[in-house]
Amino acid sequence: AQSVTQPDIHITVSEGASLELRCNYSYGATPYLFWYVQSPGQGLQLLLKYFSGDTLVQGIKGFEAEFKRSQSSFNLRKPSVHWSDAAEYFCAVGGYGGSQGNLIFGKGTKLSVKP
Amino acid sequence: EPEVTQTPSHQVTQMGQEVILRCVPISNHLYFYWYRQILGQKVEFLVSFYNNEISEKSEIFDDQFSVERPDGSNFTLKIRSTKLEDSAMYFCASGNRGGGQPQHFGDGTRLSIL
Repeated sequence: AQSVTQPDIHITVSEGASLELRCNYSYGATPYLFWYVQSPGQGLQLLLKYFSGDTLVQGIKGFEAEFKRSQSSFNLRKPSVHWSDAAEYFCAVGGYGGSQGNLIFGKGTKLSVKP
Repeated sequence: EPEVTQTPSHQVTQMGQEVILRCVPISNHLYFYWYRQILGQKVEFLVSFYNNEISEKSEIFDDQFSVERPDGSNFTLKIRSTKLEDSAMYFCASGNRGGGQPQHFGDGTRLSIL
């Protein structure tokens, strides 16, 4: 069955430190992979996506993610975290039944940033 | 930056009543979606809509649910006879590329069933 696992429920990093949020997926075919961010009381904003090609994808707000097929992973990274990055981050996989809109989400990782 | 807007932000309804959640997607988008997030659980896909018809729906989207694009701007989700377990945050989303993955989500409507 298709699934997404984000093993870290809550991560705290210091401002200026690097960040890596983990995402592992289970999917029967080549996945389409996404990272979304949700600030409190707001909707989900697409950070970046992977469909094909270069396995290192760049997104908005200085984020990047690397698709590793052998590890079934799509980890999100940022070299230097800013206080405004504090939010909840969701990894998602799509393509179920050929539809890219039917996304399967992970449970999310809440990021806290300390000064 | 264009936004997906949802109204109301919070809806409180008695069990068994009908509720309509409203969304205004981004104007040049062609693919529309509804998702929901029960408190403490994952975001779940409900339905996708393209070219004035449902293109895909999940098991959650049973006969109690319907969607409509009544005019050129609104996209609505109707729940005919609400149940307690329908209490959740409902997100509308829209997209416009390739298969149309949801690029922009609204801020959600919190639906509370009493």
